[in-house]
Amino acid sequence: GAGVSQTPSNKVTEKGKYVELRCDPISGHTALYWYRQSLGQGPEFLIYFQGTGAADDSGLPNDRFFAVRPEGSVSTLKIQRTERGDSAVYLCASSLYGHRDTEAFFGQGTRLTVV
Amino acid sequence: KNEVEQSPQNLTAQEGEFITINCSYSVGISALHWLQQHPGGGIVSLFMLSSGKKKHGRLIATINIQEKHSSLHITASHPRDSAVYICAVRSHRGTSYGKLTFGQGTILTVHP
Repeated sequence: GAGVSQTPSNKVTEKGKYVELRCDPISGHTALYWYRQSLGQGPEFLIYFQGTGAADDSGLPNDRFFAVRPEGSVSTLKIQRTERGDSAVYLCASSLYGHRDTEAFFGQGTRLTVV
Repeated sequence: KNEVEQSPQNLTAQEGEFITINCSYSVGISALHWLQQHPGGGIVSLFMLSSGKKKHGRLIATINIQEKHSSLHITASHPRDSAVYICAVRSHRGTSYGKLTFGQGTILTVHP
């Protein structure tokens, strides 16, 4: 597709369960970012991939959160033993790397609700 | 103190009014983004600025690098402009190149 695609758009899960959130970036974009947006707040950085590698994972809140991008395109954010505080909108963005004036393109987000 | 501060947090206007949303930041940046987010929707990039001024239709964005300040202006506001407007700055350093740090957003409501 032409834009950044995130699936599912909504996910409701029970506390303690494992979830996976998927991001399909724009074709050719080497940089991929995950952000988390809690209700009424601006998004907060989670992790940044350059190609297949996580260049900066300093925003992951704890070791229950993990993300991969094995082939340098699609990325999956994985959350183990979900907690109610994990409820948020998870946003993915992609951009070209190495270009000074690169735009960031965002997906529609995945709204995660932990009950 | 947050690295990116927006004001006001909430803004209510009547249709046709001129609107200004402000953003101040405290870190070194390579670019600043203004983004729009509708309820339940994703984020759309309105502008990316590294200097000066940009204009798209009724939207104008300015940045003053020396003062670390940017403004988003909406002329002749319309109810469809109602959304959350978010300022985000792009890091220019090292392994965090390109990472965005966001302000808390400004909730704009334009009444007919």
